[in-house]
Amino acid sequence: DIQMTQSPSSLSASVGDRVTITCQASQDISNYLNWYQQKPGKAPKLLIYDASNLETGVPSRFSGSGSGTDFTFTISSLQPEDIATYYCQQYDNLPPTFGQGTKLEIK
Amino acid sequence: QVQLQESGPGLVKPSQTLSLTCTVSGGSISSGSYYWSWIRQPAGKGLEWIGRIYTSGSTNYNPSLKSRVTISVDTSKNQFSLKLSSVTAADTAVYYCARDTAGYSSSYDYWGQGTLVTVSS
Repeated sequence: DIQMTQSPSSLSASVGDRVTITCQASQDISNYLNWYQQKPGKAPKLLIYDASNLETGVPSRFSGSGSGTDFTFTISSLQPEDIATYYCQQYDNLPPTFGQGTKLEIK
Repeated sequence: QVQLQESGPGLVKPSQTLSLTCTVSGGSISSGSYYWSWIRQPAGKGLEWIGRIYTSGSTNYNPSLKSRVTISVDTSKNQFSLKLSSVTAADTAVYYCARDTAGYSSSYDYWGQGTLVTVSS
């Protein structure tokens, strides 16, 4: 299985801050990477697909970049409603695998 | 708007079989080129892909669970189902069904709300 390693595991930031989460794959996955947001007690929500494409309806403050083994997810200006856990997920090989998650809190 | 809803027992005894159904509404499960997936999440932990099915009946399973998993589809009811046999406490989790866009680009764009399944005697 391809291992996905996210960092940091948790993050505290202030409203308006720029927030960056990284995701590293254990092997080259091209751009076959998605990002999800999960709020407590809710199902994950797709934010970014194919590493850098914004899902329809998702605010433009969310963005993604990267290819190969190293990927970045960015919130350009943190909003209170962005408090959640964020997961990366690869689909280059079966089984699809997820990062361990990054829990984002407001400072 | 596509909606998915999981249903099934919330409590399963050890060694028994966990059975869940996902009902798809707002569109036909047979339309488009989608896979229909099951994903689970133990409390406080990350997401684990269980497997998926295409409406043709073609399946893929996580090798870590393959010997215990069966996913099936009933297009007449717009449903797909999960069976996980010989369950233990380690199978206690929230189980989600999700639509996989598959093809060249694959992502889970629609999810059910999730259902908690506890394995306990």
